[in-house]
Amino acid sequence: DAKTTQPPSMDCAEGRAANLPCNHSTISGNEYVYWYRQIHSQGPQYIIHGLKNNETNEMASLIITEDRKSSTLILPHATLRDTAVYYCIVPNAGKSTFGDGTTLTVKP
Amino acid sequence: SQTIHQWPATLVQPVGSPLSLECTVEGTSNPNLYWYRQAAGRGLQLLFYSIGIDQISSEVPQNLSASRPQDRQFILSSKKLLLSDSGFYLCAWTPGTVYGYTFGSGTRLTVV
Repeated sequence: DAKTTQPPSMDCAEGRAANLPCNHSTISGNEYVYWYRQIHSQGPQYIIHGLKNNETNEMASLIITEDRKSSTLILPHATLRDTAVYYCIVPNAGKSTFGDGTTLTVKP
Repeated sequence: SQTIHQWPATLVQPVGSPLSLECTVEGTSNPNLYWYRQAAGRGLQLLFYSIGIDQISSEVPQNLSASRPQDRQFILSSKKLLLSDSGFYLCAWTPGTVYGYTFGSGTRLTVV
């Protein structure tokens, strides 16, 4: 796997944008970046993925740098329900290890 | 649509007892299947993955084994549980090698 590095924790005010960074400097040209989140005591939930271009869906936006060595997950209007652990992974040969991720705490 | 079922949701087992956790996927064929374990407050550790029947790879040497008796069934087993086997066990599947994972709801195992 391409190794990913994320900050252990972040806070965000409710209603503001949450920007979660991820470094993946060893990513290869055909590897995708995936983002998941895990709410306590549940399985991780897929959020979004991308290869080169920025992506947006109903949950979030994904910004990938031109050199693909880092990306940022954006939750445009964070709510209290977005409090979770967010994982950035780069699957290789269909398998991945999820690191400790970033614990996002959305505060009222 | 595809669904993944994992059971039981919680399990308390004594040290030295056997274990069998089952995971099944519906609505797809020949999925890649995975078993992960999560210690409290930590990330997910990949234990086993399978790209087909009788094709199972172990990522971490341990007290556990996995089997895939049918295309869409993945079983995690142990002959004798250790205290260190406690954790949150998650099954997941993907349709191939470049798609995202879909996780089951998990089994919280406590070995006492």
